[in-house]
Amino acid sequence: GAVVSQHPSWVICKSGTSVKIECRSLDFQATTMFWYRQFPKQSLMLMATSNEGSKATYEQGVEKDKFLINHASLTLSTLTVTSAHPEDSSFYICSATEETFTDTQYFGPGTRLTVL
Amino acid sequence: KNQVEQSPQSLIILEGKNCTLQCNYTVSPFSNLRWYKQDTGRGPVSLTIMTFSENTKSNGRYTATLDADTKQSSLHITASQLSDSASYICVVRHRSGGYNKLIFGAGTRLAVHP
Repeated sequence: GAVVSQHPSWVICKSGTSVKIECRSLDFQATTMFWYRQFPKQSLMLMATSNEGSKATYEQGVEKDKFLINHASLTLSTLTVTSAHPEDSSFYICSATEETFTDTQYFGPGTRLTVL
Repeated sequence: KNQVEQSPQSLIILEGKNCTLQCNYTVSPFSNLRWYKQDTGRGPVSLTIMTFSENTKSNGRYTATLDADTKQSSLHITASQLSDSASYICVVRHRSGGYNKLIFGAGTRLAVHP
């Protein structure tokens, strides 16, 4: 149980284009979903927290207009990287929790984004 | 400042040998500490979780210890296997009201060689 999937697993795009990454909780309802970014040989950095049906809360330094997050249902959250640039190339990982205040986050397998 | 520091940054051991990874944290107030295994190009998978009152927790060949007084934790891997090659991440939960805030360490990259 508690499986989180991401799609796509990897994507290559041209600079200036937008890329959408999906995060789904397959066998539970995710009240809260988290989006992380991980650069090579570094740990995960929280980008934003999203609750179903409300606006995402972004961490300091993360541009909300560049990284659009939509959490339209209890099983799906999407991260859209708008006008992507090479410096946005990274490993993006989502996680989900079943209840708002639980500390058990189930992580997805990640999406490798490469911007040319 | 709430931080989690891990050592060593990387480690190479031979198959069958044991190893111990270290984690020091300054997170306060502290809720719990988890060790995750992250294979290359994959998301983290939880190995153990310990609260303030727990000193040790085992999961197969993985044994985690916690000293809440000195704010140190270790992950001991016994009889290492090639499949243990991965990054091991120490994650401390900051108890800040109801906000689910995790503080991640940079990880230890373990390579097990035959």
